[in-house]
Amino acid sequence: EAQVTQNPRYLITVTGKKLTVTCSQNMNHEYMSWYRQDPGLGLRQIYYSMNVEVTDKGDVPEGYKVSRKEKRNFPLILESPSPNQTSLYFCATHTVGTEAFFGQGTRLTVV
Amino acid sequence: SQKIEQNSEALNIQEGKTATLTCNYTNYSPAYLQWYRQDPGRGPVFLLLIRENEKEKRKERLKVTFDTTLKQSLFHITASQPADSATYLCALGTDSWGKLQFGAGTQVVVTP
Repeated sequence: EAQVTQNPRYLITVTGKKLTVTCSQNMNHEYMSWYRQDPGLGLRQIYYSMNVEVTDKGDVPEGYKVSRKEKRNFPLILESPSPNQTSLYFCATHTVGTEAFFGQGTRLTVV
Repeated sequence: SQKIEQNSEALNIQEGKTATLTCNYTNYSPAYLQWYRQDPGRGPVFLLLIRENEKEKRKERLKVTFDTTLKQSLFHITASQPADSATYLCALGTDSWGKLQFGAGTQVVVTP
């Protein structure tokens, strides 16, 4: 079964405490992306990766880091989270020209 | 800059009628366009894909049109049902480098 697995599903943290949200896919897709979704703003791309060791900034990359050391994993790192990074985060994966598969989402609250 | 626009106002529609959603784009030459459904708090789920050389695609009660001259896609839900209530997102992609860009989505509310 095609799966995109994000962890954790829910996270409450404090300002400045580094955190990592993991994403793993079992479809051997080249492309993986991270999005954040805020009310009224839709899905905004944070970073994307075209393959192992190849990543690029999306529309809202400030305050985030990513790495793609293996094809199946694409973690999102917040080195020093701030309250404006409180959001619903989605990881997605696809192959060029085909549908994207999304994870279940991670609801992050930074206090 | 590239822009994808979907109607931000919710579409309220009576059960059995046809819902029509619009996706307009500027400064973009997409190779394909996709439509997704999203329920609150959940990830978007793929519905349909249409390529730049296709005018229309159908899947059950769903129909998508793609007009690259007008830079517009229309998404129709015929014989709508309350279970169709959700937010619908369009996404544009290119074959050359695969980046998918999403619109903000339009909420559809189907009342019995």
